[in-house]
Order: sequence, then structure tokens, then C-alpha cells
Amino acid sequence: NAGVTQTPKFRVLKTGQSMTLLCAQDMNHEYMYWYRQDPGMGLRLIHYSVGEGTTAKGEVPDGYNVSRLKKQNFLLGLESAAPSQTSVYFCASSYALRGRQPQHFGDGTRLSIL
Amino acid sequence: AQTVTQSQPEMSVQEAETVTLSCTYDTSENNYYLFWYKQPPSRQMILVIRQEAYKQQNATENRFSVNFQKAAKSFSLKISDSQLGDTAMYFCASSGSARQLTFGSGTQLTVLP
Repeated sequence: NAGVTQTPKFRVLKTGQSMTLLCAQDMNHEYMYWYRQDPGMGLRLIHYSVGEGTTAKGEVPDGYNVSRLKKQNFLLGLESAAPSQTSVYFCASSYALRGRQPQHFGDGTRLSIL
Repeated sequence: AQTVTQSQPEMSVQEAETVTLSCTYDTSENNYYLFWYKQPPSRQMILVIRQEAYKQQNATENRFSVNFQKAAKSFSLKISDSQLGDTAMYFCASSGSARQLTFGSGTQLTVLP
């Protein structure tokens, strides 16, 4: 099993460009999450999904959109990239929201906005 | 809202010795879970240990154990017989009915040969 796979692993964008980060999991998990990690800080939740077709905002949702059209995929979109969105992005998935099962993380995507 | 505080940005320990990483948290939830995650230079997030708040017994996973003090809202991680491979950033995190993991800012642990 691959677990949680993030695509791409690295990307450089210019301010104002758009892009989509893809997260795919093969564990049949109901719940998926997108986090960002900035230097000196822990991971912060951007958006999450409790099932196919459903999404919700996390702690830092501004400037991002998400979609969960298929259970195994969770997409994170930047419509107009800004330098403040330079970060490392992590996707995670789990069976349960309330921590009975741990979240499984992807390897991260390093995104730089120039 | 939940908050998680790690007051030690950096720590070091000699190989084979024991080290304790501190974490305090604040939550209004009665039923919550606490975690320690390890992030080595490879950037992977690896679950080290998990504690369910309603269980009084401290969790243990091989060389890793926690000291969970519910009244004090403290959740420290003890690493025994430290190994070079333990060098990593360690994050404390909480999970409750807010449906998210709330992370501390991390402690960079370096194991010295």
C-alpha cells in the first residue's frame, strides 16, 4: 500500500498563478485533511473533509479551496497564489475524526511563491 | 478552541541517555486524545505515541513513554536509551470534538554521539 501520496513534491509559482495539489489515499479512509507548516510553527489545518462530496474550513482557510469528488482524493487549490502561501503542505487521512485512529500523513509538498 | 504549547524549541541528549520533552495543552473538551509526532529531516510525520484522555494509565511504546497529568494539562514525552535515529522535530498535538489536530510549535531534538 502506498498510504497517502501527495503530488507534486515541489513547485515554484509566480504571484497570481493558480495550481492544484493532489492528495490520494488507498486506505479507504473517510476523513482527509490539508495542513500547512511554516517555519517555527506546527501544522495548521486549512480544510478538511468528512466524506466524499463534503468539505469544511479549518483554522487558516483563506486563499484556498478544496474538493472531494472521490473518496480517495482530496484536492487543494490556490486560485491566485500569494507569497504568504509559501509553505510546506501536508495531506493526512484517518478513519475517525475524534482521534481514535491516528492521522496518516503524506510526505509533504514544498511550495514557493515568488 | 484547543491550544498546545511546547516551551522547549531545542534540546539535545547524549546517545543512550534519557530525555523528556514537555508539552502543555488547554481544552474545554472532556473526551480528547493527545499525540506525539516525530518529523525527521525527511519531513515525514510519524506517529510516536498516543494517549486517550479518559485513560489514566500512561501510554508506552518501546523506548517511548508519556507522563500524562490530566489535572495539570501536561503531556510530556520520555525517550529512553536515545538513539541517533531519534534526532528529529517532535510535535505534541491534541484532537477533540473540534475535528482537527492542533499542534504545538515543536521541539528540535538532537541526539549526540
